[in-house]
Amino acid sequence: SQTIHQWPATLVQPVGSPLSLECTVEGTSNPNLYWYRQAAGRGLQLLFYSVGIGQISSEVPQNLSASRPQDRQFILSSKKLLLSDSGFYLCAWNDGNQPQHFGDGTRLSIL
Amino acid sequence: EDKVVQSPLSLVVHEGDTVTLNCSYEVTNFRSLLWYKQEKKAPTFLFMLTSSGIEKKSGRLSSILDKKELFSILNITATQTGDSAIYLCAVVRPGSNYKLTFGKGTLLTVNP
Repeated sequence: SQTIHQWPATLVQPVGSPLSLECTVEGTSNPNLYWYRQAAGRGLQLLFYSVGIGQISSEVPQNLSASRPQDRQFILSSKKLLLSDSGFYLCAWNDGNQPQHFGDGTRLSIL
Repeated sequence: EDKVVQSPLSLVVHEGDTVTLNCSYEVTNFRSLLWYKQEKKAPTFLFMLTSSGIEKKSGRLSSILDKKELFSILNITATQTGDSAIYLCAVVRPGSNYKLTFGKGTLLTVNP
């Protein structure tokens, strides 16, 4: 069966520091991969999605970037974090027209 | 621009009550609507609805879609404290690789 892993679970970083969050999927190949942010308003905002290695689409202009160096690995990065980057970051995957399945998320606090 | 509106935003009930959560949407070329339950971490998939009037059921949870009036409801009967969660509604964006537009969610609290 397929599983999705995200780490770390929580992270506290100072303003201006770099960021790297990792997401991996097991048990499938060539999945669609997604990064979401969930802020205090509780809705999920799509940040990036990828349909294959090296293929990244950005949904909103922001201080973050994403990369997909391997088929089942999706990384969310920043060179310099801002206070507004705080939030709950969720990775998700799906195959074709199937529902998306989510990882457990990373709670990021910027001080 | 696609729009998904959930109501109420929060709801407090007692164990045993029945609740109805609402999701209305505006999206061109509708494909599917999905419901998720989010406790502390990962949203977990509940239902995917594509056709009007066909109820999907899983235990005490059920959901139905009305494509004419552009809304869906999620019913939970005989609520339990374990049903306390945020319930998220999302629609599949047209022409996408199944990207989703989410509503803000309904925070359900079930008190013993």
